[in-house]
Amino acid sequence: DVQLVESGGGLVQPGGSLRLSCAASGFTFSSYWMNWVRQASGKGLEWVASIKQDGSEKNYVDSVKGRFTISRDNAKNSLYLQMNSLRAEDTAVYYCMRRNYYGSGSYSFDSWGQGTLVTVSS
Amino acid sequence: AIQMTQAPSSLSASVGDRVTITCRASQGIKNDLGWYQQKPGKAPKLLIYTASRLHSGVPSRFSGSGSGTDFTLTISSLQPEDFATYYCVQDNNYPFTFGPGTKVDIQ
Repeated sequence: DVQLVESGGGLVQPGGSLRLSCAASGFTFSSYWMNWVRQASGKGLEWVASIKQDGSEKNYVDSVKGRFTISRDNAKNSLYLQMNSLRAEDTAVYYCMRRNYYGSGSYSFDSWGQGTLVTVSS
Repeated sequence: AIQMTQAPSSLSASVGDRVTITCRASQGIKNDLGWYQQKPGKAPKLLIYTASRLHSGVPSRFSGSGSGTDFTLTISSLQPEDFATYYCVQDNNYPFTFGPGTKVDIQ
């Protein structure tokens, strides 16, 4: 079974840094685009970042550009999100997601982790 | 960025009801749209991808339609386990964007 397990969340002061990890198992990690999505308490979902199979292409939502860095280690089946210059508005549950490709341009976010909570507060 | 809207923002329905949720994109996204169900305290789950393809294991009472800018999620006969919040998301263009969600609760 596909499994994604996030870790690394916690309480951090504004301006601080945190590194999230996502451990993948049950599939060939190096064959998939991977993503981070976040959700503030009681709010909707916000896509944060994505990374190509070999790490050669990365995309970010404007609100985190220059502050967050997505990366991966295919040898360790792990996805990361380095978060710097954190702000109160970054407070959210962060989910790791797999982007599956079915062919003919058809994709989905078919597998999600359970999420890890990041709280930015003094 | 492509803006996604959903209607209604919430609805009350009874078991057995037919429920329809709409999602609109601010520009054409072909059929690059997915629907997700989320229950409180849980991660979202994939229901429909590429606008109309039913994800493996999802009951056939869920269906999706649409292309371009207008999309629909239909639950043909609402079941007790379907009370949840539903989100659409476009993955045609970066940044990928979610709709604000539709909360379905018990009437």
